[in-house]
Amino acid sequence: NAGVTQTPKFRVLKTGQSMTLLCAQDMNHEYMYWYRQDPGMGLRLIHYSVGEGTTAKGEVPDGYNVSRLKKQNFLLGLESAAPSQTSVYFCASSSGRTGGATEAFFGQGTRLTVV
Amino acid sequence: LAKTTQPISMDSYEGQEVNITCSHNNIATNDYITWYQQFPSQGPRFIIQGYKTKVTNEVASLFIPADRKSSTLSLPRVSLSDTAVYYCLVGGVRTNAGKSTFGDGTTLTVKP
Repeated sequence: NAGVTQTPKFRVLKTGQSMTLLCAQDMNHEYMYWYRQDPGMGLRLIHYSVGEGTTAKGEVPDGYNVSRLKKQNFLLGLESAAPSQTSVYFCASSSGRTGGATEAFFGQGTRLTVV
Repeated sequence: LAKTTQPISMDSYEGQEVNITCSHNNIATNDYITWYQQFPSQGPRFIIQGYKTKVTNEVASLFIPADRKSSTLSLPRVSLSDTAVYYCLVGGVRTNAGKSTFGDGTTLTVKP
């Protein structure tokens, strides 16, 4: 069982370049999330999705776009990368079952450097 | 947003019990309290979750007072491998997806 898989694991971009980060989960989860984590800080929510075809903004959405065309995949796009987007990006998923909160499962992260 | 406050860092020794307290004064009625553990270069990992009173699993206990404005994660007999960052998260995935925040966490250092 792979859980949550992120691709790629590392990437170096030049300022102004674009790229897409892919997140795939095999747990049939309804909810998926993209976070960024800067050195020495906690995770900040970028965008999230509560189901296939839906997306919503999180705490720090500017400069990013997302798509959830398939339930198992959640893509994070950077249209014009900036040095301020240098960070570690984590994807997570959780079930949408009724009755309170559920735990989130995280991927191993993508380390992105924008030069 | 359900904001949380935790100590920035804590030190302990192997074999001791560690208690990390999280303050969440504006917790909502349908919010749950969840704790995650994160090792360097890895994604966070779920430890425990609760709504009120006490919850215990094989790795930790979670104590939540009646007013639910704080919670305490208790790690019994820590080892060196428990050195990590611990995050307290308040929210309800289903009802408040995207509205809970991680904060900066508590860095726990376990010494031999």
